[in-house]
Amino acid sequence: DQQVKQNSPSLSVQEGRISILNCDYTNSMFDYFLWYKKYPAEGPTFLISISSIKDKNEDGRFTVFLNKSAKHLSLHIVPSQPGDSAVYFCAATISQGGGADGLTFGKGTHLIIQP
Amino acid sequence: ETGVTQTPRHLVMGMTNKKSLKCEQHLGHNAMYWYKQSAKKPLELMFVYSLEERVENNSVPSRFSPECPNSSHLFLHLHTLQPEDSALYLCASSHVNSGIYTFGSGTRLTVV
Repeated sequence: DQQVKQNSPSLSVQEGRISILNCDYTNSMFDYFLWYKKYPAEGPTFLISISSIKDKNEDGRFTVFLNKSAKHLSLHIVPSQPGDSAVYFCAATISQGGGADGLTFGKGTHLIIQP
Repeated sequence: ETGVTQTPRHLVMGMTNKKSLKCEQHLGHNAMYWYKQSAKKPLELMFVYSLEERVENNSVPSRFSPECPNSSHLFLHLHTLQPEDSALYLCASSHVNSGIYTFGSGTRLTVV
């Protein structure tokens, strides 16, 4: 039973446009959400996070939105650049990551930025 | 350099072999993790070590055996694996109260 779901395996966006990656979760105990980015032959790297007490967090071109009632979060990248082409993983945890449960990941969305 | 180093990068082993994966971090983190990434599946948490104590087993088969001799090193000992254990094994570390992990590049394991 997947607790974190990324229903789009891939997404193609034109350079300069907005990329929107979506993530849904089922466990209402999750209180901290993160996005990781992964290039081929490398491990995932942390991108941006949001606590459940907020509904938006922005860092440069990246903004994460959280809708707790819908158990949904999204990552917006604007403007999209060729270097953003990667696999993006949504992750969630309990107790701000301080618990023993580790991070629960989605399957990932492969973002392709077209020139 | 990611700060978390995993060796080897690639490993091919027979089902009767015994091998070990190694992970090392010098970031001052005090929690370390093993994750498994199989094709078309989410990253699966295998083991958690917090302050050098194992806190999560997650129903992993006993043919996988972790070891954390100190806060900088983590091992995954493998024995009598099955072909379905072929996957990318990722090590990560963090501060114990942080959800922000630093991952290694992984070991691509193939069991033949």
